[in-house]
Amino acid sequence: DTAVSQTPKYLVTQMGNDKSIKCEQNLGHDTMYWYKQDSKKFLKIMFSYNNKELIINETVPNRFSPKSPDKAHLNLHINSLELGDSAVYFCASSQAQLLWEQFFGPGTRLTVL
Amino acid sequence: GQSLEQPSEVTAVEGAIVQINCTYQTSGFYGLSWYQQHDGGAPTFLSYNALDGLEETGRFSSFLSRSDSYGYLLLQELQMKDSASYFCAGTGGFKTIFGAGTRLFVKA
Repeated sequence: DTAVSQTPKYLVTQMGNDKSIKCEQNLGHDTMYWYKQDSKKFLKIMFSYNNKELIINETVPNRFSPKSPDKAHLNLHINSLELGDSAVYFCASSQAQLLWEQFFGPGTRLTVL
Repeated sequence: GQSLEQPSEVTAVEGAIVQINCTYQTSGFYGLSWYQQHDGGAPTFLSYNALDGLEETGRFSSFLSRSDSYGYLLLQELQMKDSASYFCAGTGGFKTIFGAGTRLFVKA
């Protein structure tokens, strides 16, 4: 049973395109996150949702828009992709009261050409 | 601001003990956690310290000193499969901030 799943695993696209990454967790967690991991492996939080409500929105270009249709899903839509968006994007989830124990999805490697 | 500092690389021999240090500045600090990430894989939670002292989980132990804003991960009886990146992460203000990671190389 997959705890946190993401699709797609790989995404190769041209600059200027719009793309989405989907995330689902079956752990019954209240809180979900999006992280960006760059080529130097630096893991940076982008967004956090608790029960479908946005609670953390770091300094991220507004081309990135998260959407949480329910507490088990958190999707990430990216408009007008740029070369600098190339990275691995991880979705994660945790129980709301256990923010330090996060369960990560397998990651989506985005390559912008 | 919030930041965590850890060494970029550590090399050790199979069977040895290695310690990965982490110093932090995190506002509203709750505690320090550790994650392991193998190449091409996802970060995996290892341990969490909310209180000062040592927490032991099998071959891995983690330590926290709040007064020193310092913690470490101790890996004993190193195995080749322990070669990975290890991240300390500080939780505070409803979010978890990750350090830049320490790449551990285990040699035979």
